[in-house]
Amino acid sequence: TQLLEQSPQFLSIQEGENLTVYCNSSSVFSSLQWYRQEPGEGPVLLVTVVTGGEVKKLKRLTFQFGDARKDSSLHITAAQPGDTGLYLCAGERGYTNAGKSTFGDGTTLTVKP
Amino acid sequence: DAGITQSPRHKVTETGTPVTLRCHQTENHRYMYWYRQDPGHGLRLIHYSYGVKDTDKGEVSDGYSVSRSKTEDFLLTLESATSSQTSVYFCAISDVRANVLTFGAGSRLTVL
Repeated sequence: TQLLEQSPQFLSIQEGENLTVYCNSSSVFSSLQWYRQEPGEGPVLLVTVVTGGEVKKLKRLTFQFGDARKDSSLHITAAQPGDTGLYLCAGERGYTNAGKSTFGDGTTLTVKP
Repeated sequence: DAGITQSPRHKVTETGTPVTLRCHQTENHRYMYWYRQDPGHGLRLIHYSYGVKDTDKGEVSDGYSVSRSKTEDFLLTLESATSSQTSVYFCAISDVRANVLTFGAGSRLTVL
């Protein structure tokens, strides 16, 4: 059973389009992270959200943590080819699991010029 | 970039042979992790360490062992490699009990 469900699994869009990636769970997370991974490299942290309802912006990327801390979304405005990559959400469930992140399967984004 | 080095970066081995992957960090971070990444399964935690000689199992630990004799090194050993252990292995580090991970570049293992 996958604890974190990401959708869509694959996304192919044209440069300039907007997109949203979702990360959903039935479990509550004390914090949630979004990572981006390029081929042949390890994931790189984009953002951490910790408060229910929290919204963080990173240039054209907007991250939201659900009010109940069970879900999150990543919205990209005016996507560029440089945004191409695998986007992973990861969550931590409480103090007893501190430092142990559970990852979603990822969303592979392709932005065509 | 954080100082995390994984070695080897690529390895091909045969079923039944022992394999050791090494993760070396220069950040003096207390927490180190080994994950494997497979298509359709995302990243899954194999083992982790909260300090020297302090290790514990993750969700997919069967067939793997780890050792951490120094803060900077975390070794992952496959005692007898199987084809199901063909994967890309990532080492990660974090400071304090943070959930923010910094990853190495990965080690691609193929077991024939």
